Amino acid sequence: RKEVEQDPGPFNVPEGATVAFNCTYSNSASQSFFWYRQDCRKEPKLLMSVYSSGNEDGRFTAQLNRASQYISLLIRDSKLSDSATYLCVVVRRGSYIPTFGRGTSLIVHP
Amino acid sequence: DVKVTQSSRYLVKRTGEKVFLECVQDMDHENMFWYRQDPGLGLRLIYFSYDVKMKEKGDIPEGYSVSREKKERFSLILESASTNQTSMYLCASSLDPGTNMQYFGPGTRLTVT
Repeated sequence: RKEVEQDPGPFNVPEGATVAFNCTYSNSASQSFFWYRQDCRKEPKLLMSVYSSGNEDGRFTAQLNRASQYISLLIRDSKLSDSATYLCVVVRRGSYIPTFGRGTSLIVHP
Repeated sequence: DVKVTQSSRYLVKRTGEKVFLECVQDMDHENMFWYRQDPGLGLRLIYFSYDVKMKEKGDIPEGYSVSREKKERFSLILESASTNQTSMYLCASSLDPGTNMQYFGPGTRLTVT
């Protein structure tokens, strides 16, 4: 089983839709979680960290479920500009090394 | 503004050539990383460095080496380039990758012919 797994998609949604992605991780010792966004032919950039209590940033909500070992990203009122690949990142306790998922592709159409 | 720069955006090299990819960050970060990204495989860690002159192998170090002589600069070396090293190479730096974000450079698209 891969350490971090994501559905590659693509998720194809109309503008204004709500869409959610999950990311599962296999190592229960994981301690830090992030969502990155990567536009086509660009570098990944941090979208948001994921906290145990969940966190929200505008239209984006990230949640962590330690019992089931997954994190989620919810995007409300999707915009065309949200089209990108969303990368889940997990860091094990005591490790320097982030582990990246392969990404979930989102396409928002008019 | 935070900056990670890479020496080239696009590079074409021949099989067997020695290739240097350079990465410079201006944030005084201890930790620097080299990844390659291929379609369907995602980001894979080649090497990382947590201090000057320190380096650790990542998941796919074979065929690569690195150099970190100064804190701000982390170089990736392909000793003898091969066609299977054609890829997008991304450098990143981080103050503390366990709790802080990684900042990525714009990437180098390397083609080995």
